[in-house]
Amino acid sequence: KNEVEQSPQNLTAQEGEFITINCSYSVGISALHWLQQHPGGGIVSLFMLSSGKKKHGRLIATINIQEKHSSLHITASHPRDSAVYICAVRVNQFYFGTGTSLTVIP
Amino acid sequence: DTGVSQDPRHKITKRGQNVTFRCDPISEHNRLYWYRQTLGQGPEFLTYFQNEAQLEKSRLLSDRFSAERPKGSFSTLEIQRTEQGDSAMYLCASSFTGATEAFFGQGTRLTVV
Repeated sequence: KNEVEQSPQNLTAQEGEFITINCSYSVGISALHWLQQHPGGGIVSLFMLSSGKKKHGRLIATINIQEKHSSLHITASHPRDSAVYICAVRVNQFYFGTGTSLTVIP
Repeated sequence: DTGVSQDPRHKITKRGQNVTFRCDPISEHNRLYWYRQTLGQGPEFLTYFQNEAQLEKSRLLSDRFSAERPKGSFSTLEIQRTEQGDSAMYLCASSFTGATEAFFGQGTRLTVV
């Protein structure tokens, strides 16, 4: 059983659509991270959450500690948002979801 | 500080050869993590250090794998007698202890032929 489950695994959207990626986890955590990975492998940290909600530009991340669930939203999606989005939770080390591959079509 | 850097970015090696990767974390980050990522999968934990101490190792880290962080700064990951199944992206990350931001390197892509 994976400690972190993400859905959907793959997502195709039209430019401008509102996108939601979900993450559920089963362990007690000190923080949850949303990461973005482009082809070529580099990982960029988008958000770190311990509670509540964070917003950065068109990206919004929320977490519900009681329900052990987090969502990443992208408003007004754009082709440059196409990437793999990975949810990771931190206990001592990180546990990663398998990622959501997002393709935004112009 | 330019972030977490990994060297080399790409490595092609013949089966049976030894390879060594290096990770330079962000200065003063006391935690350093190694992960392995195969195509289409999320990263899998290999090991992590707090300063120079290796605090946890995954069962994925077989006897052929060894990691060091001798002075609590950079770290090396060595794979001995490489196998084709070792082909993957090896990622390094660093952070402070606790609920703090983590930063990832670009990864070293290993191909064993």
